[in-house]
Amino acid sequence: GIQVEQSPPDLILQEGANSTLRCNFSDSVNNLQWFHQNPWGQLINLFYIPSGTKQNGRLSATTVATERYSLLYISSSQTTDSGVYFCAVEPSSGTYKYIFGTGTRLKVLA
Amino acid sequence: NAGVMQNPRHLVRRRGQEARLRCSPMKGHSHVYWYRQLPEEGLKFMVYLQKENIIDESGMPKERFSAEFPKEGPSILRIQQVVRGDSAAYFCASSPPAAYEQYFGPGTRLTVT
Repeated sequence: GIQVEQSPPDLILQEGANSTLRCNFSDSVNNLQWFHQNPWGQLINLFYIPSGTKQNGRLSATTVATERYSLLYISSSQTTDSGVYFCAVEPSSGTYKYIFGTGTRLKVLA
Repeated sequence: NAGVMQNPRHLVRRRGQEARLRCSPMKGHSHVYWYRQLPEEGLKFMVYLQKENIIDESGMPKERFSAEFPKEGPSILRIQQVVRGDSAAYFCASSPPAAYEQYFGPGTRLTVT
């Protein structure tokens, strides 16, 4: 089945720094989402981005489906950005189920 | 517009008991998905349901686990005779018909003692 790998696995930043998180997938996909799992375990939808670029405040995301990767940019990071970031893809086989990546654990220091 | 609701948020069961997890999708959503997250891991798909139908249960263990989404009421994930390995966070997601963005609930954290 499709493999979804995220990098880096762990990231520590000082408040105010910028970062780029990457999601690589091994096969074509219909859909892709980015999530933030906060320290309390809640999953927050960040972007639904099967292709193209989207921005929401300090966050933006780009998916290049033909090259099988997506990037999540965090600018001017804040301590509340800490948590685990997951990308999830729906394979083109049309199964409707999302396959989650391994996650990037982010810690932002004050 | 309320989001996806799950209850209970935390559930403690002894080995051998039954666990029932409930999920109410967002208003207007008729597709429900269940995922399981083991400690320090990503989420893994379990089952996809539409009203009164199981569409894909390929990720659900064949024994002890069952799911339903009746015409009225919430979706239920049922785990019979729980074992310690069932301890995990169980997330429910929903989506509207013919759309692929999934919205997740807050999860139910099951602890088996």
